Amino acid sequence: QMQLQESGPGLVKPSETLSLTCVVSGYSISSDHYWAWIRQPPGKGLEYIGIISHNGSPFYIPSLKSRVSMSLDTSKNQFSLDLSSVTAPDTAVYYCARMISDYDYFDYWGQGVLVTVSS
Amino acid sequence: QSVLTQPPSVSAAPGQKVTISCSGTSSNIGIDYVSWYQQLPGTAPKLLIYETYKRPSGIPDRFSGSKYGTSATLGITGLQTGDEADYYCAAWDTSLTGEVFGGGTKLTVL
Repeated sequence: QMQLQESGPGLVKPSETLSLTCVVSGYSISSDHYWAWIRQPPGKGLEYIGIISHNGSPFYIPSLKSRVSMSLDTSKNQFSLDLSSVTAPDTAVYYCARMISDYDYFDYWGQGVLVTVSS
Repeated sequence: QSVLTQPPSVSAAPGQKVTISCSGTSSNIGIDYVSWYQQLPGTAPKLLIYETYKRPSGIPDRFSGSKYGTSATLGITGLQTGDEADYYCAAWDTSLTGEVFGGGTKLTVL
């Protein structure tokens, strides 16, 4: 059974960079599909941030493209998210997930990690 | 404001049926598969429906999905108190080149 687990600091200061990692077990991230980051501000809905393909090609949502970077580390079977110049609206629960190629749905999700942007 | 439009809330009595609508455009629902997710309080979203009408293993057939044009619908029959959750629709948007979600619908089983 595949599992995903996010990790990273729970508190980030304004203007700094938010960095999160998602460790995947039970499946090789270099095999196939896409690896996604999705966030959910407190009390609000889901917001797609972007995906990175199994061979390392990233695709970011236009509204965050200037601040987002995603990468794969196949040796550790994990992928990462960097979000720069954060402000209070970036406060959210951040989820990692697997997105199935060609059919565009998320079948496995991490439990999520709350990141608060505050000084 | 979400790209896909869902009603903020729906409610029905135990045992009854409810439908949740999801309205999109020709750039998303009109040309792509729709997926649905259930989010119980304090937990991560869970895949409920994929490829518009298919159910993952373990999802009961009380849950169903359909699509017509640029709108999709999630149906839940035989409502149980355990179905109380937020439900989200999603689809790929070719204009944004990314997945878009509905704003979510809170289901209350009275």
